[in-house]
Amino acid sequence: GAVVSQHPSWVICKSGTSVKIECRSLDFQATTMFWYRQFPKQSLMLMATSNEGSKATYEQGVEKDKFLINHASLTLSTLTVTSAHPEDSSFYICSAQAGQWNTGELFFGEGSRLTVL
Amino acid sequence: AQTVTQSQPEMSVQEAETVTLSCTYDTSESNYYLFWYKQPPSRQMILVIRQEAYKQQNATENRFSVNFQKAAKSFSLKISDSQLGDTAMYFCASSQGAQKLVFGQGTRLTINP
Repeated sequence: GAVVSQHPSWVICKSGTSVKIECRSLDFQATTMFWYRQFPKQSLMLMATSNEGSKATYEQGVEKDKFLINHASLTLSTLTVTSAHPEDSSFYICSAQAGQWNTGELFFGEGSRLTVL
Repeated sequence: AQTVTQSQPEMSVQEAETVTLSCTYDTSESNYYLFWYKQPPSRQMILVIRQEAYKQQNATENRFSVNFQKAAKSFSLKISDSQLGDTAMYFCASSQGAQKLVFGQGTRLTINP
């Protein structure tokens, strides 16, 4: 199956700094990628939809100036958490669609755990 | 708006038993997909099974099968001959044409030896 890779898998940063998380589709082109956030023992919450070559679409309640998303190529989307604070500590997961949507499947990255001190 | 509800926060069965995880959903769309994803301790999301809403036949994948009741908006997952490796969080999810997945709260399934 299609492979989606995230990097880094684990990052610790100081409060006030910015952190960039990369999401790559390794063996397919992804025009659309999605970013999710998952708190401990909770479900995945969609943060934004990332479209190659255009601005991301953010879900209600997600601060677009704090969570910057860039989808500059068909194989890479990045999520930058700006001026991170301890409440931003979470598990961030990306997913990507391979092929036409009528296959009905998204492929997920391994996730990135962010800890803000 | 779509909603997905999993009413069983935790379940536990013995190895080789059959277990059924419940899921209900709500959508105003006529064309949508339903999914069950598995999230083991590694946190990697793994697709278990998917169902197209327009298909009446229940999807099956080896030991995994679903009971799709469209009128009742119910989509339960049955795991037969459960194995220790089935221990994980299981998320029910639905999507519409926009590809966005809406997840349920999850069910933590433990298979005991």
